[in-house]
Amino acid sequence: SQTIHQWPATLVQPVGSPLSLECTVEGTSNPNLYWYRQAAGRGLQLLFYSVGIGQISSEVPQNLSASRPQDRQFILSSKKLLLSDSGFYLCAWSVLFRTGDNSPLHFGNGTRLTVT
Amino acid sequence: DAKTTQPNSMESNEEEPVHLPCNHSTISGTDYIHWYRQLPSQGPEYVIHGLTSNVNNRMASLAIAEDRKSSTLILHRATLRDAAVYYCILRDVDSASNTGKLIFGQGTTLQVKP
Repeated sequence: SQTIHQWPATLVQPVGSPLSLECTVEGTSNPNLYWYRQAAGRGLQLLFYSVGIGQISSEVPQNLSASRPQDRQFILSSKKLLLSDSGFYLCAWSVLFRTGDNSPLHFGNGTRLTVT
Repeated sequence: DAKTTQPNSMESNEEEPVHLPCNHSTISGTDYIHWYRQLPSQGPEYVIHGLTSNVNNRMASLAIAEDRKSSTLILHRATLRDAAVYYCILRDVDSASNTGKLIFGQGTTLQVKP
């Protein structure tokens, strides 16, 4: 069966420090991968998605970047964190999307980031 | 992405049915209606999806209006574990530029009272 792992579960970082969040998927190949963020009391915002190794699409301009160095690995990074980067970060995967496909997204348990 | 409109919050009593409404008046012919829910401090989980016909699975039922401009997620017997934020999302599966991404709105916060 497929599983998705995110770590760490919680993180407290000072303003201006770098960030690296990692997400890995097991039990599937060529998945679509997604990074979402949920600010306190708000909905989920899609940050990045990837349809293959090295292919990253950004949904919103921000202080963050994403990379996909391996098929089932998705990394969210920042060189210098801002207070506004605080939030609940969620990684998700789905089977490689094709026209007509309705495969659901599967989410990890998230990383709660507090920037102080 | 076509928009959906949901009530901000709803309350239900335990073991009673719950009907969660969603309006999507600008839905297109290739939009599927998806529902996800998010329990506190967890990632969202898939609940159900449909196109035109009503759908049932082990978690819930989805009733879709004949004109497809609205739908209702039905939880047949609410339990305390059903307390969550429920998201109604339109997903275009016939767009060359679509990559399967989901755009979440604010959802409906369901409270279940014992």
